[in-house]
Amino acid sequence: QKEVEQNSGPLSVPEGAIASLNCTYSDRGSQSFFWYRQYSGKSPELIMFIYSNGDKEDGRFTAQLNKASQYVSLLIRDSQPSDSATYLCAVAYSGAGSYQLTFGKGTKLSVIP
Amino acid sequence: EAEVAQSPRYKITEKSQAVAFWCDPISGHATLYWYRQILGQGPELLVQFQDESVVDDSQLPKDRFSAERLKGVDSTLKIQPAELGDSAMYLCASSFSHSRSPYNEQFFGPGTRLTVL
Repeated sequence: QKEVEQNSGPLSVPEGAIASLNCTYSDRGSQSFFWYRQYSGKSPELIMFIYSNGDKEDGRFTAQLNKASQYVSLLIRDSQPSDSATYLCAVAYSGAGSYQLTFGKGTKLSVIP
Repeated sequence: EAEVAQSPRYKITEKSQAVAFWCDPISGHATLYWYRQILGQGPELLVQFQDESVVDDSQLPKDRFSAERLKGVDSTLKIQPAELGDSAMYLCASSFSHSRSPYNEQFFGPGTRLTVL
C-alpha cells in the first residue's frame, strides 16, 4: 500500500511567522514529490516540486526532502493571510510501467492577521 | 497563460441519471488524468491517459464509469447511472511529461462539482 501521511491540522500561525508543513511517505523508492495549495472550493495549484535530497527555495516557499527518513516538508516564510489554504503533499509512485500521484489528505493552514 | 479547461463547473443530477464531464488539457500535454476528490480528502486517481490510450484505470468503477480520449486531446468522463455516493469534485489534470516519467508536474483544471440527489 503506497501511502502519504499529513497532519490534518488546522495549523494556525500568526502573520509574518514561519509555517511548517510535514509529510511522510511509505515507498522508499519514490523519486518525486509535489506540494499543492488548495483554496476552499477551488482546485489544487502546484506550488513546489522537489526531486533531490536537501532544500529547494522559491520565493517565500522552501521544500525540504529527506529520502532516508521518507520525509518531505514545506516551509512558508513571512506567512500572509492569503496563504490560508489546505496544502496537499503528493508523491509519484510507479505501477504497471507508469507513474501516478498519491495525495495526502492535506493540512489546513490558517494565518492569523 | 495555458490552463486546463473543464465543463460544466457545477452539475446537479438525480440518482440513476447519466452525467458527463469534459476536459481540455493544456496544449501539448500528452498525459491526462481524471481524479475524484471527496470533501476533506486528497484527490484520488480514477484514470490516466497517455495520448489516446488508457495507462491506468485500476481505480475506475467500470460498472458505472467510463472515460475516453479518442483523438488524444480532450477527454470525457461519464457516469451512468449516478449514485448518491458519487457526489464529489471531479478534477482533470494534465502533464507535459510522459506517463513513464516520475517527473510529471501535473496541472489541474477548475473541476466539476457534482451533486447527486
